[in-house]
Amino acid sequence: DTEVTQTPKHLVMGMTNKKSLKCEQHMGHRAMYWYKQKAKKPPELMFVYSYEKLSINESVPSRFSPECPNSSLLNLHLHALQPEDSALYLCASAKYAANTGELFFGEGSRLTVL
Amino acid sequence: SQQGEEDPQALSIQEGENATMNCSYKTSINNLQWYRQNSGRGLVHLILIRSNEREKHSGRLRVTLDTSKKSSSLLITASRAADTASYFCATDASSSGGSNYKLTFGKGTLLTVNP
Repeated sequence: DTEVTQTPKHLVMGMTNKKSLKCEQHMGHRAMYWYKQKAKKPPELMFVYSYEKLSINESVPSRFSPECPNSSLLNLHLHALQPEDSALYLCASAKYAANTGELFFGEGSRLTVL
Repeated sequence: SQQGEEDPQALSIQEGENATMNCSYKTSINNLQWYRQNSGRGLVHLILIRSNEREKHSGRLRVTLDTSKKSSSLLITASRAADTASYFCATDASSSGGSNYKLTFGKGTLLTVNP
């Protein structure tokens, strides 16, 4: 199984809502990533988890709150977002964070903030 | 900050032609990777080349790496309409003072292959 599964595929939320994006992988990977991608731009790293611990936070605003409940799951909790946070949110996994090999990406969750 | 810079930003060719995309980066790397992204979808890993390698092949793909010039190129031979996608190079860098590495993507090249 070489899949990273992201849900939901699409999400529309108001600025006062609280929602979560979910990511799951069953490849035994110990590194998981959140990237944000705006239209016609490259993915930008948000967070890296290594062995279920947050190892890199790229100065992301606190309205984005990551969580790694176990080695297979990664969540991104969203609260009080702004319209400019509308983007494609990509989850990825890799064998280890200490040695960047291939990243496996999910299909993304397209978020629209009204 | 983004490390890789691809050129051209957009490339349009006919089916059967070869497509060459270039990537330049700024700091030393352990490896350089190329990814493909169909519109609005996730990224798919194409090929990884290590800093001590100069050339690598995978099917119709050929990647070169010149660490002295801090540049890489991706060649797709005998292109097909299905190759239409955005192509990104990605370089690794250690987090400041940390032992974990992060992959940083370049701006990408949008390749259109016309049937």
